[in-house]
Amino acid sequence: DQQVKQNSPSLSVQEGRISILNCDYTNSMFDYFLWYKKYPAEGPTFLISISSIKDKNEDGRFTVFLNKSAKHLSLHIVPSQPGDSAVYFCAATGSNSGYALNFGKGTSLLVTP
Amino acid sequence: DAGVIQSPRHEVTEMGQEVTLRCKPISGHDYLFWYRQTMMRGLELLIYFNNNVPIDDSGMPEDRFSAKMPNASFSTLKIQPSEPRDSAVYFCASSPGRGGSYEQYFGPGTRLTVT
Repeated sequence: DQQVKQNSPSLSVQEGRISILNCDYTNSMFDYFLWYKKYPAEGPTFLISISSIKDKNEDGRFTVFLNKSAKHLSLHIVPSQPGDSAVYFCAATGSNSGYALNFGKGTSLLVTP
Repeated sequence: DAGVIQSPRHEVTEMGQEVTLRCKPISGHDYLFWYRQTMMRGLELLIYFNNNVPIDDSGMPEDRFSAKMPNASFSTLKIQPSEPRDSAVYFCASSPGRGGSYEQYFGPGTRLTVT
């Protein structure tokens, strides 16, 4: 049972524009959310996170928004760069999950010049 | 820090053979996780350890899979006997697990092919 869902398998964006990646979750006990980025033949790398006590967290070009009532979060990349082309995974956990993360299936982002 | 180290990076084996995947977590991290990535199921958590003790192995698909963590710097994931459907990329990750930090740091993965 997939508790974290990324419904868009792929996304293509022009360089300089905004990339918006979406993620939905079903478990209301989740209270911490993370985004990971993965290049081919490498392991996922941590990008940005947000706690449920916030609705926005920003780090440079990357901003994550959390809508708890809708059980939805999104990652905004502005401006998008070709080097951002990768697979992005959304993950979630809760205080009753220990430190285990539940991952979505990922969205493949392609940023074209 | 060298990060999480996994070996081998690639493994090709025949059905029925035993396969052992190895992981060295980041020094000082209390948690170690084993994941499997496939196209169909994405990233699945197989098992995780806290201070070398297995906490949750509910993701281990079958009795053919076993994992150990004999000390804080080494873990193995063993498949015996291996089957073609075990072909996947296996990731190991570690986490400090302190101060409310949930970030996990992944190794480069082992690509397993069972023929």
